[in-house]
Amino acid sequence: QKEVEQNSGPLSVPEGAIASLNCTYSDRGSQSFFWYRQYSGKSPELIMFIYSNGDKEDGRFTAQLNKASQYVSLLIRDSQPSDSATYLCAVNSSGGFKTIFGAGTRLFVKA
Amino acid sequence: EAGVVQSPRYKIIEKKQPVAFWCNPISGHNTLYWYRQNLGQGPELLIRYENEEAVDDSQLPKDRFSAERLKGVDSTLKIQPAELGDSAVYLCASSLGSSGGASATDFGPGTRLTVL
Repeated sequence: QKEVEQNSGPLSVPEGAIASLNCTYSDRGSQSFFWYRQYSGKSPELIMFIYSNGDKEDGRFTAQLNKASQYVSLLIRDSQPSDSATYLCAVNSSGGFKTIFGAGTRLFVKA
Repeated sequence: EAGVVQSPRYKIIEKKQPVAFWCNPISGHNTLYWYRQNLGQGPELLIRYENEEAVDDSQLPKDRFSAERLKGVDSTLKIQPAELGDSAVYLCASSLGSSGGASATDFGPGTRLTVL
């Protein structure tokens, strides 16, 4: 079992729809969770982080964390073509010193 | 504020040749990371520095890879000799601190290495 698992996609949604990206992790002691966006040929950029169970909202982005289920998700409301990218889920190990990345989910937003 | 700087941006070499990558982190960031990203995969940590000390190099293939961070600022990652499977993007990243992962990690633009 991979330490951080994501569906590779591609996930295709129409412009204006909600895109839902999911991630599961294996280390039950993990405390910090991150979502990065990576455009093709570019480096990852942090868009959200979450530490506590529940939802965290930032503009059109909402991160959801369920530690009991070891599940993290990212919702993108009113999806735009410019949101088309690969979204990487990252989890800090229970010691807090190592960040493990998932393989990423490719998102396409159709105009 | 300048971001993480890496050079070169692209490198093409023949197998068995040496190659080196350079990174200058964001000013004041004590923690520096080297990641390798293969096509279609997430970044994989190679080595993490806290100031000048390598605190996690468990994923670094030490038979051919070496790294240094003299004076706790700039860092160099070297591969000698390079193999075909080393073709990837090498990302340098930095953060203010790594304890508990509370600090955001800023990535450099990466060096795309092609080994022929």
